[in-house]
Amino acid sequence: SQTIHQWPATLVQPVGSPLSLECTVEGTSNPNLYWYRQAAGRGLQLLFYSVGIGQISSEVPQNLSASRPQDRQFILSSKKLLLSDSGFYLCAWGRGKNTEAFFGQGTRLTVV
Amino acid sequence: GQQLNQSPQSMFIQEGEDVSMNCTSSSIFNTWLWYKQDPGEGPVLLIALYKAGELTSNGRLTAQFGITRKDSFLNISASIPSDVGIYFCAGQGGSYIPTFGRGTSLIVHP
Repeated sequence: SQTIHQWPATLVQPVGSPLSLECTVEGTSNPNLYWYRQAAGRGLQLLFYSVGIGQISSEVPQNLSASRPQDRQFILSSKKLLLSDSGFYLCAWGRGKNTEAFFGQGTRLTVV
Repeated sequence: GQQLNQSPQSMFIQEGEDVSMNCTSSSIFNTWLWYKQDPGEGPVLLIALYKAGELTSNGRLTAQFGITRKDSFLNISASIPSDVGIYFCAGQGGSYIPTFGRGTSLIVHP
């Protein structure tokens, strides 16, 4: 069966510090991978998605970047965090078009 | 782009009551998905619908893919306290990216 792992679960970082959130998927190959941000417990904002290694599409301009160094690994990064980067970050995976997306447990990021 | 309207935004009900929420789209979807999110957790897929008119149940949950392919509803029968959470609909219209509704927050009073 397929599983998705996302870590860390919580993170408190000072303004201006770098960020690296990691997501890995097991039990499938060539998944579509997604990073979402959720503010105030409502609404899922798509940040990045990837349909293959090294292929990253950005949905909104922001202080963040994403990379996919391996087939089942998706990384969300920032060189310098802003207070506005605080939120709940969710990684998800899916297969092809018109199919389900499955979410990780999320990372609660607080920038102080 | 595709827009998804989910309603109601919030629901406050008594334990044992039935719940109904729905989503409507400005364009046609090929797949409808319903998720539940518990506080501090990632959304969990409840039901997936693939055909117009399809009616699918998962325990006390029932969801339907509208005939026009522009809407879907989710019903919860005989609600219990653990039904509390945020319910999201999502539609897939031929792309790699599901479009999500803004969620329905459900609170169940014992």
